[in-house]
Amino acid sequence: GAGVSQTPSNKVTEKGKYVELRCDPISGHTALYWYRQSLGQGPEFLIYFQGTGAADDSGLPNDRFFAVRPEGSVSTLKIQRTERGDSAVYLCASSSLLLAGGGNEQFFGPGTRLTVL
Amino acid sequence: AQSVTQPDIHITVSEGASLELRCNYSYGATPYLFWYVQSPGQGLQLLLKYFSGDTLVQGIKGFEAEFKRSQSSFNLRKPSVHWSDAAEYFCAVRTGGYQKVTFGTGTKLQVIP
Repeated sequence: GAGVSQTPSNKVTEKGKYVELRCDPISGHTALYWYRQSLGQGPEFLIYFQGTGAADDSGLPNDRFFAVRPEGSVSTLKIQRTERGDSAVYLCASSSLLLAGGGNEQFFGPGTRLTVL
Repeated sequence: AQSVTQPDIHITVSEGASLELRCNYSYGATPYLFWYVQSPGQGLQLLLKYFSGDTLVQGIKGFEAEFKRSQSSFNLRKPSVHWSDAAEYFCAVRTGGYQKVTFGTGTKLQVIP
């Protein structure tokens, strides 16, 4: 597609449930990122994929959060045993790492708004 | 660790007035610096970026920013604000060799007629 897409746009779930959030990056982008944006805050880094592997998962808050990118394109962020504090907008971004000198701009999707009741 | 401070949570300007949004970063070496804009219900859009070279960078929508190493600042400016500029603006930093981007808490811009 032309840009990064994320589904669903909104997700309402109950405390304790499992959720999956999907990200479709820009075609050909090798790098994919997940961020979480809580109300009134800037986006907070969660995890970065280069190809199929997680190159940096230092931002994942705990072991309830997990992300995969099995074929190096689409990624799924998985949250187990959701808590009310997980409510936020989850943003996905992708970039091409082919440009030297750090010119790899991250292009963001519209986000998935997760509400945990 | 890298960090970004946006001291102004909310700014109100009149349409046609000039604008400056402040951003300070904390990092030992020269970082990669960005300004993003986020309109309600929209994704983050890159306004401009600084990697090296000329410290005054031009971006889209008539915005510019100046990197000042001595002040660890990367302030965003626009000479004449339009009502459509009302949005939230985020300064961000990425350190060379790492892909993790750290965002500030944002400045919400209100434009009054």
